Amino acid sequence: QKEVEQNSGPLSVPEGAIASLNCTYSDRGSQSFFWYRQYSGKSPELIMFIYSNGDKEDGRFTAQLNKASQYVSLLIRDSQPSDSATYLCAVGVTGGGNKLTFGTGTQLKVEL
Amino acid sequence: NAGVTQTPKFQVLKTGQSMTLQCAQDMNHNSMYWYRQDPGMGLRLIYYSASEGTTDKGEVPNGYNVSRLNKREFSLRLESAAPSQTSVYFCASTDGQGESPLHFGNGTRLTVT
Repeated sequence: QKEVEQNSGPLSVPEGAIASLNCTYSDRGSQSFFWYRQYSGKSPELIMFIYSNGDKEDGRFTAQLNKASQYVSLLIRDSQPSDSATYLCAVGVTGGGNKLTFGTGTQLKVEL
Repeated sequence: NAGVTQTPKFQVLKTGQSMTLQCAQDMNHNSMYWYRQDPGMGLRLIYYSASEGTTDKGEVPNGYNVSRLNKREFSLRLESAAPSQTSVYFCASTDGQGESPLHFGNGTRLTVT
């Protein structure tokens, strides 16, 4: 069974610190990886996507992908209270025509 | 630019009642999806439509039916609601080109008593 695993948290970090969110996946053929942010009672919104091994940076966010280890992470630099949310890791299903498998999410709390 | 629009936002049903959740997107996307989200279970795919005129089952299709009415609209029907279908339902779409990200609607919170 294809699975995406995330630590449910909550992960608490002080304001201004780096938050590190991790995700492992079981589908070795997956080629696309996404991070979504979901505020309580709201819909998921895309933060970043990554397709190739290595790092991808976008502002305060960096996605890291290691396909050999089947591991993807999201780093949030200079964390702000507004970053407090649940972060969902999503992995493309091999041959699945844009279908995604989602992890259960990691709750991040940025404390003042 | 509305993106993905879902109706209704909230609904309470009694066991055995039927209803249709509506979804429309204005981004000219080819592919549309219905997910449900339950505490501790994450988002699970119910049905999807890779393109107009096609629909396929996802991970948890039992108790649901879908209709891809046209390129813009993709509806989800519960023929005989059960308490196990109490959930938050999200519609999503993507242009279907390569590995493109999903765009989500605001969700429908359904309670079945």
